[in-house]
Amino acid sequence: GQQLNQSPQSMFIQEGEDVSMNCTSSSIFNTWLWYKQDPGEGPVLLIALYKAGELTSNGRLTAQFGITRKDSFLNISASIPSDVGIYFCAGPPLSGTGNQFYFGTGTSLTVIP
Amino acid sequence: NAGVMQNPRHLVRRRGQEARLRCSPVKGHSHVYWYRQLPEEGLKFMVYLQKENIIDESGMPKERFSAEFPKEGPSILRIQQVVRGDSAAYFCASSPQGGVQPQHFGDGTRLSIL
Repeated sequence: GQQLNQSPQSMFIQEGEDVSMNCTSSSIFNTWLWYKQDPGEGPVLLIALYKAGELTSNGRLTAQFGITRKDSFLNISASIPSDVGIYFCAGPPLSGTGNQFYFGTGTSLTVIP
Repeated sequence: NAGVMQNPRHLVRRRGQEARLRCSPVKGHSHVYWYRQLPEEGLKFMVYLQKENIIDESGMPKERFSAEFPKEGPSILRIQQVVRGDSAAYFCASSPQGGVQPQHFGDGTRLSIL
């Protein structure tokens, strides 16, 4: 099946620092989504990307759809304690049925006050 | 809050029993997806349904698992004769249309098998 690899696997940062994480795939995706999951809760959609090269912001979050369509990046500026959680990339691969969303392995973020 | 509602939030079953997980999608959403998440892993697609139809069940085990989304009422994920390996968090998501439309998730049902 599809493999979405996220890096880094985990991050420990000081409050106020910027964060960068990425997601890579072995195949082309036509949509990239970034979700955040808090413990005991479901994933919450942060940003959706639909075109190669697209750069989209949502507050302190910025995500980019890679030119190769096999990767995506998420940046968080000026991190705050409530940014703690697990960040997942997800999407339907171009080669698939369009129904299945594949999820990445996740990046766990810890913000130290 | 008119988000995706799942119940129960926690379900404990003994081996061999049946588990029924319910999902009410966002009002107006007719597309429902079920995912399974093991600890410290990402979500794995199981099944995609529209009202009264299973569209894609390629991620769901052929035996013991079934799903439905009736014309009236919530979507149900049913696991018969549960085994220890079924212990996981099961998430439901919905979208107004299928395809690449972002899916909105419920808070999941955590199934524990004794």
